[in-house]
Amino acid sequence: AQKVTQAQTEISVVEKEDVTLDCVYETRDTTYYLFWYKQPPSGELVFLIRRNSFDEQNEISGRYSWNFQKSTSSFNFTITASQVVDSAVYFCALSFDRGSTLGRLYFGRGTQLTVWP
Amino acid sequence: NAGVMQNPRHLVRRRGQEARLRCSPMKGHSHVYWYRQLPEEGLKFMVYLQKENIIDESGMPKERFSAEFPKEGPSILRIQQVVRGDSAAYFCASSPIWGSKNIQYFGAGTRLSVL
Repeated sequence: AQKVTQAQTEISVVEKEDVTLDCVYETRDTTYYLFWYKQPPSGELVFLIRRNSFDEQNEISGRYSWNFQKSTSSFNFTITASQVVDSAVYFCALSFDRGSTLGRLYFGRGTQLTVWP
Repeated sequence: NAGVMQNPRHLVRRRGQEARLRCSPMKGHSHVYWYRQLPEEGLKFMVYLQKENIIDESGMPKERFSAEFPKEGPSILRIQQVVRGDSAAYFCASSPIWGSKNIQYFGAGTRLSVL
């Protein structure tokens, strides 16, 4: 079965601290895709990043960085120098190219990040 | 370039009524997905549609729920005879072509409350 685990339910930090959100996934497929989405208090889901299973390069986008490690089935997300506007629920998700589940995203339960001023 | 539009944003229904949730995908997108988010949980897949076709409805309850994506107009998720357990946020996402590598862009959701 495919599964995404975000063990951290809630994290609180003070502004300017670095914070890492963990994501661990389970799959037997060799081809798969990993995603992170942000859900701010307004409720919409905002796409942050997509990574395919053959690309283990880490990625940095401004204050955001992602660490993909197949050996530990993890796709962790780090925010450097956090800001109050980073407060949101962050979801990790997984999808496959297998016919029966084509296009379906499997989501973790999310991590509520609160950044205090 | 408008994103995925969902309406209404909030919907209140009494038990036994019908709920209709609408989703207009991003321009140029012909693939629509519906997900449900129960309180304190992540999003769960319900149904995947292309124009005039249901591709995968395995995540949708077999009774009372239906979805369509007509040739013209928005995708509709319809819940008949709503019960309290249907209270949730319902999200629609769209993508331009098929395939799991494709990014799904989400709307702001419809929050359904059943009294």
